[in-house]
Amino acid sequence: GAVVSQHPSWVICKSGTSVKIECRSLDFQATTMFWYRQFPKQSLMLMATSNEGSKATYEQGVEKDKFLINHASLTLSTLTVTSAHPEDSSFYICSAPKPGTVAEAFFGQGTRLTVV
Amino acid sequence: AQSVTQPDIHITVSEGASLELRCNYSYGATPYLFWYVQSPGQGLQLLLKYFSGDTLVQGIKGFEAEFKRSQSSFNLRKPSVHWSDAAEYFCAVGGPTGGGNKLTFGTGTQLKVEL
Repeated sequence: GAVVSQHPSWVICKSGTSVKIECRSLDFQATTMFWYRQFPKQSLMLMATSNEGSKATYEQGVEKDKFLINHASLTLSTLTVTSAHPEDSSFYICSAPKPGTVAEAFFGQGTRLTVV
Repeated sequence: AQSVTQPDIHITVSEGASLELRCNYSYGATPYLFWYVQSPGQGLQLLLKYFSGDTLVQGIKGFEAEFKRSQSSFNLRKPSVHWSDAAEYFCAVGGPTGGGNKLTFGTGTQLKVEL
């Protein structure tokens, strides 16, 4: 069935470098995708809404220049954490709306980012 | 603004015992309510959802939840817990006024199952 594939599942990077996380919808198109961040033992916090062919919509308090989102095609959204710092270490999860539904979504497997 | 409260951070039950995870929500209209399960290091899997109609909804893995508008609650239940049910459980709310697929999650309940 339709799923969302997120890559990589984990990544370790040095402070100051950038990391790109990919979110792909398999077997269906997604004009919108969502990026969440989850701190240890906390809930998922919506960071931004990725819109195919247009700018992403960021939630209040999320730095646009630090978390770059690109939704270049109907099946791919990318989140780039720029100039990463240890405090950016977190679990990042993407989701895409399930076709034919109003509020259901498929979630990616998540990416564990560790900045050292 | 929409919000979700899961008052129990941790719950421990014995295998075979019944389970109830609490969820209270705040939403300005008729909400769409969800329960998701997350295994360590994994994404989220949908257990069940409520949009309208019968207030008792059945989900996968033997889970059910009951929507109670008067109490603004959507508690998750399972009659007999299996060891494989140990995971983190998230309640979420969404709906038309929230942009449809924009979900607000509770802080989660960590379920531990004792053998």
